[in-house]
Amino acid sequence: NAGVTQTPKFQVLKTGQSMTLQCAQDMNHNSMYWYRQDPGMGLRLIYYSASEGTTDKGEVPNGYNVSRLNKREFSLRLESAAPSQTSVYFCASSEPGWRDYGYTFGSGTRLTVV
Amino acid sequence: GENVEQHPSTLSVQEGDSAVIKCTYSDSASNYFPWYKQELGKRPQLIIDIRSNVGEKKDQRIAVTLNKTAKHFSLHITETQPEDSAVYFCAASITGNTGKLIFGQGTTLQVKP
Repeated sequence: NAGVTQTPKFQVLKTGQSMTLQCAQDMNHNSMYWYRQDPGMGLRLIYYSASEGTTDKGEVPNGYNVSRLNKREFSLRLESAAPSQTSVYFCASSEPGWRDYGYTFGSGTRLTVV
Repeated sequence: GENVEQHPSTLSVQEGDSAVIKCTYSDSASNYFPWYKQELGKRPQLIIDIRSNVGEKKDQRIAVTLNKTAKHFSLHITETQPEDSAVYFCAASITGNTGKLIFGQGTTLQVKP
């Protein structure tokens, strides 16, 4: 049981390049999320998907797009990377409800844009 | 939208002392408040959570208190140990909704042996 799997773990991009961060979960969770983590700013929500077929903007969506490919997979795309997008990106999943409400996080992607 | 403020940003204590981290939230509809611990280079892990129908919850050396009137909640760690050194995040959300969590800025706790 892998939980939440993110790829790649590390990536260096040049300004203007594009890339897609992949996330897959095997817990049959309905909800999935993308966060970025920057020093002193905590975890900020980029986009989320409450269920298969739906996506919504979070706190910091500019410069990103997402795709909920199916119930398992939720990808994050940077169309034209900028140095301000240098960060650690975490994918997470959960099953909102009274019984189990915790997030399961992936191991993160450390992205550097030069 | 929801906003979560967390203090202090850094906290240094001697081994065996207690540590307290405080958070305030803005959305009175929020009713779920988890705490996450993140060790260096690792993913955040849930350590304790509290729902709005209780005022306090304990799990061994850690406890969380919630004051809905004042819209703040706190994490208490007693008898701290060096392995408690990590970054701690509070968060808030509305259950029965999308499940999205809004996190505080984080507190770096250092426990000195």
